Amino acid sequence: SQQGEEDPQALSIQEGENATMNCSYKTSINNLQWYRQNSGRGLVHLILIRSNEREKHSGRLRVTLDTSKKSSSLLITASRAADTASYFCATDQGGKLIFGQGTELSVKP
Amino acid sequence: DSGVTQTPKHLITATGQRVTLRCSPRSGDLSVYWYQQSLDQGLQFLIQYYNGEERAKGNILERFSAQQFPDLHSELNLSSLELGDSALYFCASSDPTDTQYFGPGTRLTVL
Repeated sequence: SQQGEEDPQALSIQEGENATMNCSYKTSINNLQWYRQNSGRGLVHLILIRSNEREKHSGRLRVTLDTSKKSSSLLITASRAADTASYFCATDQGGKLIFGQGTELSVKP
Repeated sequence: DSGVTQTPKHLITATGQRVTLRCSPRSGDLSVYWYQQSLDQGLQFLIQYYNGEERAKGNILERFSAQQFPDLHSELNLSSLELGDSALYFCASSDPTDTQYFGPGTRLTVL
């Protein structure tokens, strides 16, 4: 069974808007990683945030981590049609990644 | 391109059969992980190897086995296949920052 829960399950926005996805988990973690998956294809690593970090940026991506609430969020700013994909959070528990069920993001041109 | 390679890309076989999935990690990475992605179970960790030794086990069925060879490539063996084993199987390798890089996956269809 998966540990993480992602919210929302699906998100539809217009190009140029920001997209925010949330992830909650249940146990202690070493780090949390976000991935993107285009339909049925491989997982692309986006960003890793360690348990002692609160925020990280990478290009148009901003990730926050609140270990007291056991939650993380991924913000994609100025979204593009090419950002349409499924986004997964994964908590690192001793090396193995435990994935959430993902958020399906649709960005309409 | 993550640098992790997996073969074959697609595999179609019948129930009861046995298949082998192959993975080559990124150059220099010692850890290899196997994951299964199915519609009903989502993405699940199966097993991890580090430099040839089994390091962690997840929800891996007894009908499944894996190994990592001296050249660090890994194979996942699936036997007595059932319809429910149809899924995408991913291999990943990790760098010293613990970032896991995933291969393109093998899509297994059991008929």
